[in-house]
Amino acid sequence: DQQVKQNSPSLSVQEGRISILNCDYTNSMFDYFLWYKKYPAEGPTFLISISSIKDKNEDGRFTVFLNKSAKHLSLHIVPSQPGDSAVYFCAASTGFKLSFGAGTTVTVRA
Amino acid sequence: DARVTQTPRHKVTEMGQEVTMRCQPILGHNTVFWYRQTMMQGLELLAYFRNRAPLDDSGMPKDRFSAEMPDATLATLKIQPSEPRDSAVYFCASALSWATQETQYFGPGTRLLVL
Repeated sequence: DQQVKQNSPSLSVQEGRISILNCDYTNSMFDYFLWYKKYPAEGPTFLISISSIKDKNEDGRFTVFLNKSAKHLSLHIVPSQPGDSAVYFCAASTGFKLSFGAGTTVTVRA
Repeated sequence: DARVTQTPRHKVTEMGQEVTMRCQPILGHNTVFWYRQTMMQGLELLAYFRNRAPLDDSGMPKDRFSAEMPDATLATLKIQPSEPRDSAVYFCASALSWATQETQYFGPGTRLLVL
């Protein structure tokens, strides 16, 4: 049973606009949340994270929001750039064991 | 530029054959993970090691999968016998420690196709 779900398998956005990726989780014990980015033929790379004691974390163009009551996580990319085209995985952890979502493929159109 | 390496990058084999995938974690990292990526399940954790000792392999089919770390620079994942449903991309990842917020660094993966 998947504890982390990304219900949108794909997202298409125009260059310069905002990309919003969503993630839901079911395990209330998760205390750390991450986003990983993956290009074809490469392994996932860490993008940004947030602890359960916060509701927002920002790093440049990337912002992650956490709504614990709704068990919902989102990633905002502003502005979107062509190099952002990739698969984005949401992950959650208790301790160091990560549970991943199935991924969302983002395509940034010129 | 330290990175996790995996070999082979691609493997095509026939059902029933043994498959061995290898991983070299980043030097100094004491925690190693094996994941499998499928279209339906996304990334699934198969097993992980701390200081070469297996901590949890509950994600692996026990009858056919085995994971080991013969030394600090090599982790292996074996499938014997392989089945078509094992076709997937297998990723190895390593982390500096097993602390909660320690970043996991992934290798490029081994793409396995079992015919």
